[in-house]
Amino acid sequence: QKEVEQNSGPLSVPEGAIASLNCTYSDRGSQSFFWYRQYSGKSPELIMFIYSNGDKEDGRFTAQLNKASQYVSLLIRDSQPSDSATYLCAVSGNTPLVFGKGTRLSVIA
Amino acid sequence: GAVVSQHPSWVICKSGTSVKIECRSLDFQATTMFWYRQFPKQSLMLMATSNEGSKATYEQGVEKDKFLINHASLTLSTLTVTSAHPEDSSFYICSARGPWGETQYFGPGTRLLVL
Repeated sequence: QKEVEQNSGPLSVPEGAIASLNCTYSDRGSQSFFWYRQYSGKSPELIMFIYSNGDKEDGRFTAQLNKASQYVSLLIRDSQPSDSATYLCAVSGNTPLVFGKGTRLSVIA
Repeated sequence: GAVVSQHPSWVICKSGTSVKIECRSLDFQATTMFWYRQFPKQSLMLMATSNEGSKATYEQGVEKDKFLINHASLTLSTLTVTSAHPEDSSFYICSARGPWGETQYFGPGTRLLVL
């Protein structure tokens, strides 16, 4: 059974700080990794994906992948109150993505 | 690109009735669609995977006779909740995957309330 683990939080950070969200996965053969954001009462929306070891930057977001450690992270720079949401890590599986339960982020103004 | 729509966004029905939810990929052909259910403050729960023209694959514990899934075209999948009961009240979300790989794009969800 493929598993994706995330700290449920809440992770509280002050406005303007860097938020660091972490995720570990069990299947060493996984190739693709995704971060989704889900606001309360809404459906998930894709933030970014990463396939290769290292960092991938997109605006204020940076995804980091370390396949040897089976670890994926998402950094949010200059966090804003509008970033307050649940962040879901997802990993490629046989067919559907395998989702973690999500980390709730709260950015305090 | 990669827009997925769902209809209706809200539905209220009486216990015992059936409800149909549509999921459409608007700007791409969805090789595979997925149906999820989410209860308040809980995580996504995958219900089933559907491929165009074939029977859906249901997750363990999901009643296929209660949750009927039809994926009649590459842009449309439907979920019918048959003989709905109050415990079926939930947030139903579809997602779709195109020919590019494994990225799933989600629809906005359908909130079902069974009275």
